[in-house]
Amino acid sequence: DQQVKQNSPSLSVQEGRISILNCDYTNSMFDYFLWYKKYPAEGPTFLISISSIKDKNEDGRFTVFLNKSAKHLSLHIVPSQPGDSAVYFCAASSNFGNEKLTFGTGTRLTIIP
Amino acid sequence: GAGVSQTPSNKVTEKGKYVELRCDPISGHTALYWYRQSLGQGPEFLIYFQGTGAADDSGLPNDRFFAVRPEGSVSTLKIQRTERGDSAVYLCASSNALGLAEYNEQFFGPGTRLTVL
Repeated sequence: DQQVKQNSPSLSVQEGRISILNCDYTNSMFDYFLWYKKYPAEGPTFLISISSIKDKNEDGRFTVFLNKSAKHLSLHIVPSQPGDSAVYFCAASSNFGNEKLTFGTGTRLTIIP
Repeated sequence: GAGVSQTPSNKVTEKGKYVELRCDPISGHTALYWYRQSLGQGPEFLIYFQGTGAADDSGLPNDRFFAVRPEGSVSTLKIQRTERGDSAVYLCASSNALGLAEYNEQFFGPGTRLTVL
């Protein structure tokens, strides 16, 4: 039972353009959502998060949008840079993220110079 | 300061053997998490410690898996009678979560790649 789904295993985007990564969840108990970025042979690193009481959170080039009625969130990266090439994981939790994280299967983003 | 460290970075063992994986969290972090990442999947939760006690061990797949954190710092994940299906990257994370109503980032280590032959 995959409670957090990332349906696109890979995405290629031209440098300078917008990258949009999508994530869907099924568990209504989730109230905190996060995006992690992972490079090969390294652990995931936190990128940005959003609480269920908000519908948008922005941090520099990164913006996360949450649509609770659709149980959908997305990560927008603009402009995309070569260093953004990595695997991106969507994760969900409860209690402000201070408990276990439930991860999606990841989307490999490749930025084309 | 230093991040989360995990040893060994790679472990190759034979089916049926016992293995121990170690995690050194960020100094002062009260919460420690173990996850397992199989090929092509996202990290999957195993167990979460708050201090010395396991606050949630619902992700441990069976009784061959056990984890301890005796002094509230270093943690060891122990796997008995290893099976080929246990092959994965085992990730450890720590945070300063105190149950307060604010997000406390989980910082991940680089993981231990376990291969069971």
